[in-house]
Amino acid sequence: AQSVSQHNHHVILSEAASLELGCNYSYGGTVNLFWYVQYPGQHLQLLLKYFSGDPLVKGIKGFEAEFIKSKFSFNLRKPSVQWSDTAEYFCAVHPSHPAGGTSYGKLTFGQGTILTVHP
Amino acid sequence: DGGITQSPKYLFRKEGQNVTLSCEQNLNHDAMYWYRQDPGQGLRLIYYSQIVNDFQKGDIAEGYSVSREKKESFPLTVTSAQKNPTAFYLCASSMTSGGPQETQYFGPGTRLLVL
Repeated sequence: AQSVSQHNHHVILSEAASLELGCNYSYGGTVNLFWYVQYPGQHLQLLLKYFSGDPLVKGIKGFEAEFIKSKFSFNLRKPSVQWSDTAEYFCAVHPSHPAGGTSYGKLTFGQGTILTVHP
Repeated sequence: DGGITQSPKYLFRKEGQNVTLSCEQNLNHDAMYWYRQDPGQGLRLIYYSQIVNDFQKGDIAEGYSVSREKKESFPLTVTSAQKNPTAFYLCASSMTSGGPQETQYFGPGTRLLVL
């Protein structure tokens, strides 16, 4: 079974600071990777995703993430955060080829990182 | 306006009581999911359904039950056997049968509190 670890529970930044949120996963095969975001009072929504190809993927609102296969990592980055980026961020993993159908549709989430951006 | 609706927004449960959380989607999605969100633990899968009249247990199904009689509806019952039900419950759906590349779309959630 796969697992996902997000190293930082709570990150506090000032506006214009650079952001990097760590995400590491554990799984023996190939995976699809996702970052979801939950803004205060809003639905959880997709920020970006990686399936194959260029390991640097770009998402909405200026976010990007880099897949480093050798490190089993998929860190989220943004060069300059805004107050409106205050939210909880979740990394998630889905096996690319689920075995026996038992993990089909099974998205495994990390613990989440709360980002607070001060104006 | 397409999306996923969950009701109620807040739900209070007394000891020994079963309660049912509603989840409806008008996205014409085949697959639906229930997650439990606890602080510092992320989202954990309770049940999922890839098609009407079929559903599978997730990682933490004990104390919960579901049904999928209609494509658009996937209610979750929290039974008295669930000893620690206080949590935020999220319903999600995806377009087809929950493949590895599918984006899941989430509802606004129901917060369940025990009296």
